[in-house]
Amino acid sequence: AQSVTQLDSQVPVFEEAPVELRCNYSSSVSVYLFWYVQYPNQGLQLLLKYLSGSTLVKGINGFEAEFNKSQTSFHLRKPSVHISDTAEYFCAVSDGPGGYQKVTFGIGTKLQVIP
Amino acid sequence: EAQVTQNPRYLITVTGKKLTVTCSQNMNHEYMSWYRQDPGLGLRQIYYSMNVEVTDKGDVPEGYKVSRKEKRNFPLILESPSPNQTSLYFCASSSIVGDTQYFGPGTRLTVL
Repeated sequence: AQSVTQLDSQVPVFEEAPVELRCNYSSSVSVYLFWYVQYPNQGLQLLLKYLSGSTLVKGINGFEAEFNKSQTSFHLRKPSVHISDTAEYFCAVSDGPGGYQKVTFGIGTKLQVIP
Repeated sequence: EAQVTQNPRYLITVTGKKLTVTCSQNMNHEYMSWYRQDPGLGLRQIYYSMNVEVTDKGDVPEGYKVSRKEKRNFPLILESPSPNQTSLYFCASSSIVGDTQYFGPGTRLTVL
């Protein structure tokens, strides 16, 4: 069975400050990891994904994440946040690329950017 | 425009009255999936489909049915809805080649 733990339910951060949203996973098979973003009253949008290869993954809007197999983590980072980054962020693990099969999401982290 | 559409977007119904939420994608994707989103619980997968006539249970399939008779459509059926199925539902699709999962706009369902 696979699971995802997002350690922070809410993260307030000042505009232009760096941010890290934490995600830990467990899985008994090869993992594929994703971060999605959900803006208020909208659906989910892929931010970035790790399927294989380089452990540092760059996504849209200046976000990046690092896959750490030994720590079973996939933390999301941005060096300088903007007001427009205020949203809910979901980490997800799948047993197939692109979410082929079962996909498990974390409970989400609400990022609040303070002007 | 590549998109996943869901209908209806909002629905209020009563316990026991069968309903169907439709999902359609125009990207020729093989994989489709249904999720429900509840406060404090994130998204949970209900059912997924690898291709036409191939479906499998996700983490919370109880009380739901799906069918995949055509590649583009993946309806979610609640045969006898109950109040604990009040939720925000999302349909998603992706290519079997492996890539971005595209989400629909969501259907907010209230069961009284």
